[in-house]
Amino acid sequence: AQTVTQSQPEMSVQEAETVTLSCTYDTSESDYYLFWYKQPPSRQMILVIRQEAYKQQNATENRFSVNFQKAAKSFSLKISDSQLGDAAMYFCAYRSPRKGATNKLIFGTGTLLAVQP
Amino acid sequence: SQTIHQWPATLVQPVGSPLSLECTVEGTSNPNLYWYRQAAGRGLQLLFYSVGIGQISSEVPQNLSASRPQDRQFILSSKKLLLSDSGFYLCAWSVGGFGEAFFGQGTRLTVV
Repeated sequence: AQTVTQSQPEMSVQEAETVTLSCTYDTSESDYYLFWYKQPPSRQMILVIRQEAYKQQNATENRFSVNFQKAAKSFSLKISDSQLGDAAMYFCAYRSPRKGATNKLIFGTGTLLAVQP
Repeated sequence: SQTIHQWPATLVQPVGSPLSLECTVEGTSNPNLYWYRQAAGRGLQLLFYSVGIGQISSEVPQNLSASRPQDRQFILSSKKLLLSDSGFYLCAWSVGGFGEAFFGQGTRLTVV
C-alpha cells in the first residue's frame, strides 16, 4: 500500500524568505500523481500544485515550486518570497492512476508553516 | 464553474444522537465523491468514496455510513454518535485527468 510521510510537523520562515517542506512517499507504481494542498486557519483545503510522475520537469505555480526526485521518492515544496498569507498547514498527497483506484488521495500528516513578519 | 457546498459548518451533538451531513456539487456530472475526516492536529483519513449513484465504498470500519441518492449529492450519517466521532469532516469531489480532489469548506462536529 502506498504511504506518504511528512517528517516536519512544524516549520517557520521569515517573511520574504524561502522555505522548503519535505515529503516522501512509498509506492511500487511507476506512474502516479502528487499534490500539495494548503489548509489555512479557515480549514478550507486548497490545491497548491500538482506533479505527474512521468514528467521530469518540476511543476511551478508562481511562488510555489516542487523538487520531484522520482528515484528517491521525494516531493518537496519550495515557497519563495514567503508571505503572511502562506501561513497554513500543508499536506502532501499521492494518487494512483490505476483504474479502480477511484482517484483516492493518500495524505501525509501535514506540516504547519508559520510565517514571521 | 464547479462548486461544492457542504453543511452545516459547525455542529454540536450529544452522544447517541443521529447525524446527517450533506454535500452537493454543482457544475460537473458523475463526479467521484469522498468523505474525509480530520482529527485535531492530524492528517486526512478517507472514510467513504462513491463512483456513482448508490455506489458506496467504505475505507474504515466505523460508526458512520454514507449514501449517494443523487449524482451530485453525498450524505454522511450516523444512527448514534460516539464521542470518538468528533472531528472535522470534509467532502470532496474529483473527475478524470489529474484526479485532484476539490474540497468543501468542512463541518466541525463536536460530540458531547
